[in-house]
Amino acid sequence: GIQVEQSPPDLILQEGANSTLRCNFSDSVNNLQWFHQNPWGQLINLFYIPSGTKQNGRLSATTVATERYSLLYISSSQTTDSGVYFCAVEQDYNQGGKLIFGQGTELSVKP
Amino acid sequence: GAGVSQSPSNKVTEKGKDVELRCDPISGHTALYWYRQSLGQGLEFLIYFQGNSAPDKSGLPSDRFSAERTGGSVSTLTIQRTQQEDSAVYLCASSPDRGRDQPQHFGDGTRLSIL
Repeated sequence: GIQVEQSPPDLILQEGANSTLRCNFSDSVNNLQWFHQNPWGQLINLFYIPSGTKQNGRLSATTVATERYSLLYISSSQTTDSGVYFCAVEQDYNQGGKLIFGQGTELSVKP
Repeated sequence: GAGVSQSPSNKVTEKGKDVELRCDPISGHTALYWYRQSLGQGLEFLIYFQGNSAPDKSGLPSDRFSAERTGGSVSTLTIQRTQQEDSAVYLCASSPDRGRDQPQHFGDGTRLSIL
């Protein structure tokens, strides 16, 4: 099946710093989502981005489907950005939309 | 409700007991998914419902696991004769349909601990 790899696995930032998280996938995908899992375990939608670029405040994401990767940019990081960031892909429309998740990037933002 | 609602939020039970986990999707969402998050395995797909039918059960780890959905709304995931390796957070998600441009929205999960 499709492999989803995220890097780096862990990241420690000083408040105010910028960062880029990467998601590589081994086959073509129909859809891609980025999630933030906060320290309380809640999984929050960040972006639905099968291709192109989207921005939401200090966060933006770019997916280059032809090269099988997606990037999540966090600018001017804040302590509330801490948590685990997951990339998830839907490979086959005919399989009903199930998501295959990467292992996540654990981000810690220090004050 | 406004979001996906799961109950209970926490469940502790003894090995060998049966448990039922409930998911109430966002109103009007026809697609419903169950996932499991455990320390060793990350986030794994379990089962997908479209309406009341389950076209994809490929992620259910054993025949001790079953799920149903009634009225195209609430879903129940049942684990029979629980084992310690069933300990995990069980997450439910819903989307308006399985088509394109339909992100999945997750509930807060049920944390299941098997003693």
